[in-house]
Amino acid sequence: QKEVEQDPGPLSVPEGAIVSLNCTYSNSAFQYFMWYRQYSRKGPELLMYTYSSGNKEDGRFTAQVDKSSKYISLFIRDSQPSDSATYLCAMRETSGSRLTFGEGTQLTVNP
Amino acid sequence: DGGITQSPKYLFRKEGQNVTLSCEQNLNHDAMYWYRQDPGQGLRLIYYSQIVNDFQKGDIAEGYSVSREKKESFPLTVTSAQKNPTAFYLCASSLDRGVSNQPQHFGDGTRLSIL
Repeated sequence: QKEVEQDPGPLSVPEGAIVSLNCTYSNSAFQYFMWYRQYSRKGPELLMYTYSSGNKEDGRFTAQVDKSSKYISLFIRDSQPSDSATYLCAMRETSGSRLTFGEGTQLTVNP
Repeated sequence: DGGITQSPKYLFRKEGQNVTLSCEQNLNHDAMYWYRQDPGQGLRLIYYSQIVNDFQKGDIAEGYSVSREKKESFPLTVTSAQKNPTAFYLCASSLDRGVSNQPQHFGDGTRLSIL
């Protein structure tokens, strides 16, 4: 069983929809949680970075962490065609610098 | 502009040949990483280095080698022992210095293919 599970999609939504992307994990030592966005043929870029449980909002993006359920989410409001990309969740323990990634969810927002 | 530069963007390898992928950063980051990305498998860690002249194996180090002679450079060599090298290779860096809450930032990758 993978340490981090992420539905690979593909996920296709109309412009303006609310998008929900999710990851589950099994390692209770994970404390730092990240979402990266990756456009085709590009490197991942950091979108959201949260510590422990709770919510974090940045513009149209909201990251949620539920450590009791070992479940993290990224919500995108008023989705735009420019949001079409692969979204990767990543997490790490308190000590050390290694990240564990989900396999990524491919999102397409249709105009 | 500060960032991570990977070169070349595309690389072709012949059977039995070693190839080296370049990664340079001007962010003054201490730690650097190499990942391999395959469809349906996410990013897998090959090697990482937290300080100059020191590096550690990741989850899939077999068939790869690295060096860290300078803080800003972390080249990856894909050796002929790596039997399935076709993949997208990503380099990342982070400002560690013993503080664990620093995110990793990525370059734009090198796509390696077999001729």
